[in-house]
This record gives sequence, structure tokens and C-alpha cells, in this order.
Amino acid sequence: GQNIDQPTEMTATEGAIVQINCTYQTSGFNGLFWYQQHAGEAPTFLSYNVLDGLEEKGRFSSFLSRSKGYSYLLLKELQMKDSASYLCAVRDIGNTPLVFGKGTRLSVIA
Amino acid sequence: EAGVAQSPRYKIIEKRQSVAFWCNPISGHATLYWYQQILGQGPKLLIQFQNNGVVDDSQLPKDRFSAERLKGVDSTLKIQPAKLEDSAVYLCASSLGGSAYNEQFFGPGTRLTVL
Repeated sequence: GQNIDQPTEMTATEGAIVQINCTYQTSGFNGLFWYQQHAGEAPTFLSYNVLDGLEEKGRFSSFLSRSKGYSYLLLKELQMKDSASYLCAVRDIGNTPLVFGKGTRLSVIA
Repeated sequence: EAGVAQSPRYKIIEKRQSVAFWCNPISGHATLYWYQQILGQGPKLLIQFQNNGVVDDSQLPKDRFSAERLKGVDSTLKIQPAKLEDSAVYLCASSLGGSAYNEQFFGPGTRLTVL
């Protein structure tokens, strides 16, 4: 079976750093994606990891440990506009569809 | 580059009625997906097309849901008859296909409310 776990909600202060964790259990692994979804809008792509390590892209970084079935999304210098849901999604094998977690709703406060 | 287009954006129907959603993927994208996203949850795949063939429809409730992608471009998703639990956002996504790294581009979604 497939199981993806993320915290349901998080709150952080503007200008701070926040780490959103994701753990997964899948029969195979062919990549992990992070998406951002603002309320009432479609998910937009943030990052992709297939090898262990850290991928940095501006204020956002994503880390993967395949042996631990673990990833995190790191958001630096938080801005109010970062308030959104962050979805972790895993591709099992080959070109199979992504399996999404339930998402983590991040609230950035002043 | 134009994104994934969906219509309508909102639909309200009564239970047992029928409804259809339309999706136009990004030009050249061979793979098209329909997802159902219930409030507070992540998207759940309903069906995946590769060109005009079905790749995965294992989670599609086939007694009431149907989808087609004639000519390998546009796609329609139909619900007949609708139930209260079908209230959700229906997201269409597309990707180029053919490699493990397949970024999926999502459309704005259709918010369905079943009364």
C-alpha cells in the first residue's frame, strides 16, 4: 500500500524559517514532489527530489532521505503570501500517477 | 504558454442529477489526469490518460463516473447520477509524459456542490 503523512497545520511568524515534514511508505520510489496550493486555487509545483540530499531554489529548499522514507520542505524568510497548503506527493514507480498526502496548512502571522 | 483550461469553474446540482466537466491540457502534453480533491485533503487520482488511452482508472467509481479523451487532446469527466459525497474540486492536470520527472501542471479546477 501507499501512505504519505504530513502535519495537518503549522503556524510560523513572518521572517522566520519553517520546516514541513513528510514521511512516506510506498512499494517503489521514483521521485517526490512538493506543491503549494493557495485556498481556492490549483496546486503549483515547488520542487522535485529523486536522489538523497538537499535541493535549493531561492527561499525554498527540499530534502530527501530515501532510506528513511522522509522529506522536508524548508521555507526561509517567510512572507505573508506563503500562507497556503503544502502538498507532498510521491511517484511510486515508472510513470505512475502521483500519490498526494493530505497537505499541511501553513499560516504565516505577523 | 497557455495553461490547463477547465470549465465550468463552479457547478451546483442536486443529487441524482448529471454533470460534466471539460479540460483542455497544455498543448503537446500527452498525459492527462483527473483528480478529485475533497476539502481539507490532497488530490486523489481518478483517471490517467496517455494520449487517448486509459493508463490508470483503478480509483474511478465506474458505476457513476466516466471520462473520455477523444483525439488525445481535450477530455470530459462525467458524473451520473451525482451523490452528496461527490462534492469536491475536480482538478485536471497534464504533463509531457515519457520520463520519471513529469511535472504536472494543474488547471484551476471545477468546484462541484451537490445538494
